[in-house]
Amino acid sequence: AQTVTQSQPEMSVQEAETVTLSCTYDTSESDYYLFWYKQPPSRQMILVIRQEAYKQQNATENRFSVNFQKAAKSFSLKISDSQLGDAAMYFCAYTRNAGKSTFGDGTTLTVKP
Amino acid sequence: DVKVTQSSRYLVKRTGEKVFLECVQDMDHENMFWYRQDPGLGLRLIYFSYDVKMKEKGDIPEGYSVSREKKERFSLILESASTNQTSMYLCASSPGTSRSEQYFGPGTRLTVT
Repeated sequence: AQTVTQSQPEMSVQEAETVTLSCTYDTSESDYYLFWYKQPPSRQMILVIRQEAYKQQNATENRFSVNFQKAAKSFSLKISDSQLGDAAMYFCAYTRNAGKSTFGDGTTLTVKP
Repeated sequence: DVKVTQSSRYLVKRTGEKVFLECVQDMDHENMFWYRQDPGLGLRLIYFSYDVKMKEKGDIPEGYSVSREKKERFSLILESASTNQTSMYLCASSPGTSRSEQYFGPGTRLTVT
């Protein structure tokens, strides 16, 4: 079974600074998708960024980018120019079979003004 | 915009009661999911449905059942609620491909006393 590990239960960052959230996963497959989701306090979980495993280029969405290291099975999320609205719980997810995902335990990000 | 709604944000039930949690999506998605979210444990899949009347057990199906009579609606049933089922329950939906992200509802915080 696939496992997803987020080794940082909590992280904090100063507003306008950069922070990196870690995620590692275990799989024997070569074709899969990886996602980062954001769950703000008392609000719905939403997609932050997606990475296709067959693509070597790291995905980028505005201030959010990933460092995808397929051989190392690592998928970290970098948030640049952190804003107060980035404070949330972030989940890393691995998807392979028809949309079923395995999620990590989450990392709670605090943004300090 | 995809919308996933859940019947209640907060629910308080007594031990032994039968509990129904309902989820509706409005984007004709094939897949629907029920997760349980507990601190430090991330999201754990309870049940998954890939089509009407089709269901598949997730990682923690014990004590739960599901029903999907219509494509847009996926119900989670606690046959006899117990205190260890006190949790946040999240519903999600997605198209039937691994590339697609999941769209989440706002969650139901269930307390069993």
